[in-house]
Amino acid sequence: AQTVTQSQPEMSVQEAETVTLSCTYDTSESDYYLFWYKQPPSRQMILVIRQEAYKQQNATENRFSVNFQKAAKSFSLKISDSQLGDAAMYFCAHKTGANNLFFGTGTRLTVIP
Amino acid sequence: GAGVSQSPSNKVTEKGKDVELRCDPISGHTALYWYRQSLGQGLEFLIYFQGNSAPDKSGLPSDRFSAERTGGSVSTLTIQRTQQEDSAVYLCASSLSGLASEKLFFGSGTQLSVL
Repeated sequence: AQTVTQSQPEMSVQEAETVTLSCTYDTSESDYYLFWYKQPPSRQMILVIRQEAYKQQNATENRFSVNFQKAAKSFSLKISDSQLGDAAMYFCAHKTGANNLFFGTGTRLTVIP
Repeated sequence: GAGVSQSPSNKVTEKGKDVELRCDPISGHTALYWYRQSLGQGLEFLIYFQGNSAPDKSGLPSDRFSAERTGGSVSTLTIQRTQQEDSAVYLCASSLSGLASEKLFFGSGTQLSVL
C-alpha cells in the first residue's frame, strides 16, 4: 500500500524565520514523484515544489526547498524567510502512475508577525 | 478557461436527496480527478478520467457515488441518497495528459453539507 504520513498537524514560525515540515511515505516502486501542495483558505490547492525520485539533487523553488532522503523515504519541505502569505495547509503527496496522487493529512502552518 | 472551475461553491442538502457537483477542467487537459476532503483529513481519491479510457473508479466509497465526463471535458459527480457522512469538500483537478510527473491544477472545490 502507498501511504503518506505528515506527523505535524500544526506548525508555527516567526515571520522571516525558517521552518521545516516533515513527510514520510511508503512505496514499493523505484520510480515516482513527490510533491508539496499548499492549500490557502480559498481551498484551491497550489503546487509548491516537485521532486523526481530518480534525481538525487534536492529540488528548490525560490524560498522553498526539499530534503529528499530516498532510502529513508523522507521528503521534508523547508520554507526560508517565511512570509505572512505562506500561512496555509501544506500537503505532501506521492505519485507513481497516472491514476492517483496519494496525499498526507496535512500540516497547518501559522506565520507569526 | 483559465483554471479549473467547480460549481456550486457551496451546497446544502437534506439527508436522502441527490446532488450533482460539476467540474470544468482546463481546456485541453485530458486527465481529470475527483477528491474528497473531510474536515481535518487529507485528500481521498475518488475517481480518475483519462481521455477515452475507462475511468478508474477504485476510490468511490459506495455505489451511491458515480461520475461521468462528457465529451472529454466537463465532469459531473453525483451522490445519490446523501448521508451526513458525505459532508466534505469535493475537489476536482486536471492535468495535461495524466503523466506521473505532471502537476495537478485544482479547482476551489464544492463544500457539501448534508443536514
